[in-house]
Amino acid sequence: QSVLTQPPSVSGAPGQRVTISCTGSSSNIGAGYDVHWYQQLPGTAPKLLIYGNSDRPSGVPDRFSGSKSGTSASLAITGLQAEDEADYYCQSYDSSLSNYVFGTGTKVTVL
Amino acid sequence: EVQLVESGGGLVQPGGSLRLSCAASGFTVSSNYISWVRQAPGKGLEWVSVIYSSGSTYYADSVKGRFTISRDNSKNTLYLQMNSLRPEDTAVFYCARITTTGAFDSWGQGTLVTVSS
Repeated sequence: QSVLTQPPSVSGAPGQRVTISCTGSSSNIGAGYDVHWYQQLPGTAPKLLIYGNSDRPSGVPDRFSGSKSGTSASLAITGLQAEDEADYYCQSYDSSLSNYVFGTGTKVTVL
Repeated sequence: EVQLVESGGGLVQPGGSLRLSCAASGFTVSSNYISWVRQAPGKGLEWVSVIYSSGSTYYADSVKGRFTISRDNSKNTLYLQMNSLRPEDTAVFYCARITTTGAFDSWGQGTLVTVSS
Protein backbone atom coordinates (compact mmCIF):
# COMPACT_ATOMS: atom_id res chain seq x y z
CA GLN A 1 0.00 0.00 0.00
CA SER A 2 1.31 3.44 -0.98
CA VAL A 3 2.16 5.93 1.76
CA LEU A 4 1.60 8.88 -0.57
CA THR A 5 -2.07 9.50 -1.37
CA GLN A 6 -3.33 11.04 -4.62
CA PRO A 7 -6.86 11.47 -6.00
CA PRO A 8 -7.69 8.61 -8.38
CA SER A 9 -8.72 10.95 -11.16
CA VAL A 10 -9.01 14.57 -12.21
CA SER A 11 -10.43 16.01 -15.40
CA GLY A 12 -10.65 19.29 -17.22
CA ALA A 13 -11.48 20.85 -20.55
CA PRO A 14 -8.75 21.89 -22.95
CA GLY A 15 -7.14 25.12 -21.79
CA GLN A 16 -8.20 24.71 -18.19
CA ARG A 17 -6.02 24.32 -15.10
CA VAL A 18 -6.02 21.15 -13.05
CA THR A 19 -4.14 20.28 -9.87
CA ILE A 20 -3.14 16.93 -8.39
CA SER A 21 -2.45 16.62 -4.68
CA CYS A 22 0.01 14.26 -3.03
CA THR A 23 -0.47 13.77 0.71
CA GLY A 24 2.26 12.21 2.80
CA SER A 25 3.38 12.26 6.41
CA SER A 26 6.10 13.38 8.79
CA SER A 27 8.39 10.53 7.73
CA ASN A 28 8.46 11.43 4.05
CA ILE A 29 7.32 14.77 2.60
CA GLY A 30 7.03 16.35 6.05
CA ALA A 31 10.56 15.24 6.90
CA GLY A 32 11.92 17.46 4.17
CA TYR A 33 12.49 14.91 1.44
CA ASP A 34 12.01 16.20 -2.06
CA VAL A 35 8.91 15.32 -4.06
CA HIS A 36 9.19 14.33 -7.70
CA TRP A 37 6.47 13.85 -10.29
CA TYR A 38 6.19 11.45 -13.23
CA GLN A 39 3.97 11.28 -16.27
CA GLN A 40 3.09 7.87 -17.70
CA LEU A 41 1.44 7.80 -21.08
CA PRO A 42 -0.52 4.63 -21.94
CA GLY A 43 1.75 1.69 -22.64
CA THR A 44 4.97 3.56 -21.93
CA ALA A 45 7.50 3.88 -19.13
CA PRO A 46 7.16 6.72 -16.62
CA LYS A 47 8.90 9.97 -17.46
CA LEU A 48 10.32 12.44 -14.94
CA LEU A 49 8.16 15.58 -15.09
CA ILE A 50 9.11 17.58 -11.98
CA TYR A 51 12.10 17.05 -9.68
CA GLY A 52 13.14 18.68 -6.46
CA ASN A 53 9.54 19.74 -5.70
CA SER A 54 9.34 22.37 -8.43
CA ASP A 55 12.07 22.05 -11.07
CA ARG A 56 11.43 20.91 -14.62
CA PRO A 57 13.85 18.75 -16.62
CA SER A 58 14.87 20.10 -19.98
CA GLY A 59 12.10 19.69 -22.51
CA VAL A 60 9.18 19.69 -20.08
CA PRO A 61 6.75 22.52 -20.92
CA ASP A 62 6.33 25.26 -18.34
CA ARG A 63 2.61 24.40 -18.25
CA PHE A 64 3.65 21.88 -15.62
CA SER A 65 4.57 23.19 -12.17
CA GLY A 66 5.09 21.68 -8.75
CA SER A 67 4.94 22.90 -5.17
CA LYS A 68 5.36 21.51 -1.69
CA SER A 69 4.08 22.59 1.72
CA GLY A 70 4.20 20.73 4.98
CA THR A 71 3.32 17.08 4.44
CA SER A 72 1.81 17.62 0.98
CA ALA A 73 2.78 18.50 -2.55
CA SER A 74 0.89 19.48 -5.67
CA LEU A 75 1.28 19.27 -9.43
CA ALA A 76 -0.49 21.87 -11.55
CA ILE A 77 -1.13 21.66 -15.26
CA THR A 78 -2.21 24.91 -16.87
CA GLY A 79 -3.52 25.24 -20.42
CA LEU A 80 -4.54 21.57 -20.41
CA GLN A 81 -3.95 19.82 -23.73
CA ALA A 82 -5.18 16.51 -25.15
CA GLU A 83 -1.64 15.14 -25.03
CA ASP A 84 -1.60 15.61 -21.24
CA GLU A 85 -4.06 12.73 -20.82
CA ALA A 86 -1.99 10.27 -18.80
CA ASP A 87 -1.33 8.85 -15.34
CA TYR A 88 0.66 11.01 -12.94
CA TYR A 89 2.59 9.82 -9.89
CA CYS A 90 4.32 11.65 -7.07
CA GLN A 91 7.37 10.12 -5.40
CA SER A 92 9.56 10.77 -2.39
CA TYR A 93 11.64 8.95 0.22
CA ASP A 94 10.39 7.61 3.53
CA SER A 95 12.81 7.56 6.44
CA SER A 96 10.80 5.16 8.60
CA LEU A 97 10.64 2.60 5.80
CA SER A 98 14.12 3.40 4.42
CA ASN A 99 12.38 3.10 1.07
CA TYR A 100 11.55 5.19 -1.92
CA VAL A 101 7.78 5.62 -2.14
CA PHE A 102 5.37 6.38 -4.95
CA GLY A 103 1.94 7.93 -4.79
CA THR A 104 -1.21 6.02 -5.62
CA GLY A 105 -1.41 7.66 -9.03
CA THR A 106 -3.88 10.03 -10.69
CA LYS A 107 -5.47 9.63 -14.10
CA VAL A 108 -5.90 12.93 -15.90
CA THR A 109 -8.70 13.04 -18.44
CA VAL A 110 -9.07 15.85 -20.96
CA LEU A 111 -12.77 16.34 -21.63
CA GLU B 1 22.72 9.62 -24.17
CA VAL B 2 21.59 7.74 -21.07
CA GLN B 3 19.85 4.48 -21.92
CA LEU B 4 18.57 1.53 -19.88
CA VAL B 5 17.43 -1.71 -21.53
CA GLU B 6 15.77 -4.46 -19.50
CA SER B 7 15.57 -8.10 -20.49
CA GLY B 8 14.86 -11.49 -18.96
CA GLY B 9 11.14 -11.30 -18.35
CA GLY B 10 8.78 -14.12 -19.23
CA LEU B 11 6.33 -16.68 -17.94
CA VAL B 12 7.32 -18.62 -14.83
CA GLN B 13 5.43 -20.96 -12.54
CA PRO B 14 4.71 -20.06 -8.91
CA GLY B 15 7.73 -20.91 -6.78
CA GLY B 16 10.06 -20.50 -9.73
CA SER B 17 12.98 -18.16 -10.36
CA LEU B 18 13.91 -15.57 -12.94
CA ARG B 19 16.81 -13.16 -13.40
CA LEU B 20 16.22 -9.77 -14.94
CA SER B 21 19.00 -7.74 -16.55
CA CYS B 22 19.27 -4.01 -17.12
CA ALA B 23 22.01 -2.96 -19.54
CA ALA B 24 23.08 0.66 -19.08
CA SER B 25 24.80 2.99 -21.52
CA GLY B 26 25.76 6.64 -21.37
CA PHE B 27 26.69 6.46 -17.69
CA THR B 28 28.49 4.17 -15.23
CA VAL B 29 26.27 1.89 -13.14
CA SER B 30 28.82 1.58 -10.33
CA SER B 31 28.91 5.34 -9.80
CA ASN B 32 25.16 5.78 -9.58
CA TYR B 33 22.10 4.71 -7.61
CA ILE B 34 20.00 2.28 -9.64
CA SER B 35 16.62 0.89 -8.74
CA TRP B 36 13.98 -1.61 -9.83
CA VAL B 37 10.35 -0.46 -9.90
CA ARG B 38 7.42 -2.66 -10.86
CA GLN B 39 3.89 -2.11 -12.05
CA ALA B 40 1.25 -4.81 -11.81
CA PRO B 41 -1.30 -4.88 -14.65
CA GLY B 42 -3.63 -1.90 -14.30
CA LYS B 43 -1.98 -0.82 -11.03
CA GLY B 44 0.37 1.88 -9.84
CA LEU B 45 4.13 2.03 -9.49
CA GLU B 46 5.79 0.07 -6.66
CA TRP B 47 9.41 0.55 -5.67
CA VAL B 48 11.19 -2.82 -5.40
CA SER B 49 14.90 -2.42 -4.70
CA VAL B 50 17.91 -0.12 -4.95
CA ILE B 51 21.66 -0.53 -5.12
CA TYR B 52 23.74 2.49 -4.17
CA SER B 53 27.14 3.41 -5.55
CA SER B 54 28.59 2.16 -2.25
CA GLY B 55 27.15 -1.28 -2.97
CA SER B 56 24.53 -1.07 -0.24
CA THR B 57 21.22 -2.64 -1.16
CA TYR B 58 17.66 -2.16 0.08
CA TYR B 59 14.39 -3.94 -0.65
CA ALA B 60 10.66 -3.43 -0.29
CA ASP B 61 9.17 -5.63 2.43
CA SER B 62 7.10 -7.44 -0.21
CA VAL B 63 10.24 -8.90 -1.85
CA LYS B 64 12.76 -8.98 1.00
CA GLY B 65 14.38 -12.38 1.30
CA ARG B 66 13.22 -13.44 -2.17
CA PHE B 67 14.78 -10.89 -4.52
CA THR B 68 18.45 -9.91 -4.82
CA ILE B 69 19.77 -6.86 -6.64
CA SER B 70 23.32 -6.86 -7.96
CA ARG B 71 25.51 -5.31 -10.63
CA ASP B 72 28.35 -6.33 -12.91
CA ASN B 73 30.62 -3.32 -13.27
CA SER B 74 32.54 -4.85 -16.17
CA LYS B 75 29.31 -5.19 -18.15
CA ASN B 76 27.75 -1.98 -16.82
CA THR B 77 24.67 -4.05 -16.08
CA LEU B 78 22.22 -4.34 -13.20
CA TYR B 79 20.46 -7.54 -12.25
CA LEU B 80 17.45 -8.64 -10.21
CA GLN B 81 17.43 -12.27 -9.14
CA MET B 82 13.88 -13.24 -8.25
CA ASN B 83 13.23 -16.46 -6.34
CA SER B 84 10.11 -18.03 -4.84
CA LEU B 85 7.97 -16.09 -7.26
CA ARG B 86 4.29 -15.60 -6.49
CA PRO B 87 1.33 -14.73 -8.74
CA GLU B 88 1.25 -11.29 -7.10
CA ASP B 89 4.75 -10.63 -8.47
CA THR B 90 3.25 -10.46 -11.97
CA ALA B 91 4.20 -7.03 -13.27
CA VAL B 92 6.22 -4.98 -15.70
CA PHE B 93 9.63 -4.43 -14.11
CA TYR B 94 11.51 -1.21 -14.86
CA CYS B 95 15.04 -0.29 -13.98
CA ALA B 96 15.69 3.38 -13.32
CA ARG B 97 18.59 5.63 -12.40
CA ILE B 98 18.19 7.72 -9.28
CA THR B 99 19.72 11.18 -8.92
CA THR B 100 21.39 12.40 -5.76
CA THR B 101 18.16 14.25 -4.90
CA GLY B 102 16.15 11.03 -5.13
CA ALA B 103 14.47 11.52 -8.50
CA PHE B 104 14.21 8.63 -10.96
CA ASP B 105 15.51 10.50 -13.99
CA SER B 106 15.98 7.76 -16.57
CA TRP B 107 13.88 4.65 -17.09
CA GLY B 108 14.11 1.55 -19.24
CA GLN B 109 11.23 0.35 -21.38
CA GLY B 110 10.31 -2.41 -18.93
CA THR B 111 10.13 -6.20 -19.07
CA LEU B 112 7.02 -8.23 -18.27
CA VAL B 113 7.15 -10.98 -15.67
CA THR B 114 4.14 -13.28 -15.49
CA VAL B 115 3.86 -15.77 -12.63
CA SER B 116 1.22 -18.34 -13.41
CA SER B 117 0.69 -22.08 -13.61
